[in-house]
Amino acid sequence: SYEVTQPPSVSVSPGQTASITCSGDKLGDKYACWYQQKPGRSPVVVIYQDNKRPSGIPERFSGSNSGNTATLTISETQAMDEADYYCQAWDSSTGVFGAGTKLTVL
Amino acid sequence: QLQLQESGPGLVKPSETLSLTCTVSGGSISTITYYWGWIRQPPGKGLEWIGSIYYSGNTFYNPSLKSRFTMSVDTSKNQFSLKLSSVTAADTAVYYCAREVLEGVHYYGFDVWGQGTTVTVSS
Repeated sequence: SYEVTQPPSVSVSPGQTASITCSGDKLGDKYACWYQQKPGRSPVVVIYQDNKRPSGIPERFSGSNSGNTATLTISETQAMDEADYYCQAWDSSTGVFGAGTKLTVL
Repeated sequence: QLQLQESGPGLVKPSETLSLTCTVSGGSISTITYYWGWIRQPPGKGLEWIGSIYYSGNTFYNPSLKSRFTMSVDTSKNQFSLKLSSVTAADTAVYYCAREVLEGVHYYGFDVWGQGTTVTVSS
């Protein structure tokens, strides 16, 4: 079955750029979405269809997907961005989530 | 605004069948571009897509999971449901229902989530 891999953790200083990767075989041929989940809360989609931002998501969130890697980039990272981030690969009505990346802002 | 609400027992005994329902309010479940999904999250772990169902009853399941899951939809009640048979402690998790958006070939992901319901499997 298809799998995607994320780093368990990423650290970033406030105001700097954070990049979280998601790797999978020919992931670029699938759609990638990214979800933010804060403790005790339901996930929120921050990027869909590789690089689209839903309304209400700050412009500092961006995404890309090519080859075997999708990347979530958070520019000018703020303390409020500290959360778990999950990538989701989707293709032909079947989706899979990565194990998640804990983003620490320090 | 669309809201989803999971309901079901918080505690289930091993080997029994878990039944969960998601009630959709503020919108119709019978909308062409929407699928309705179940995702679970074991304590301290990541998200796991269980499956999605269309209002017509078409279902899509995670091929990595054993076929203990069954989804159904009741358009008259604006609800969809999940059954999991022969539960074990490994099925202990927060279970979320969510709306999944697919317009043609354009996929928008799970854009509206319920608050989640905690299910514990224990005797």
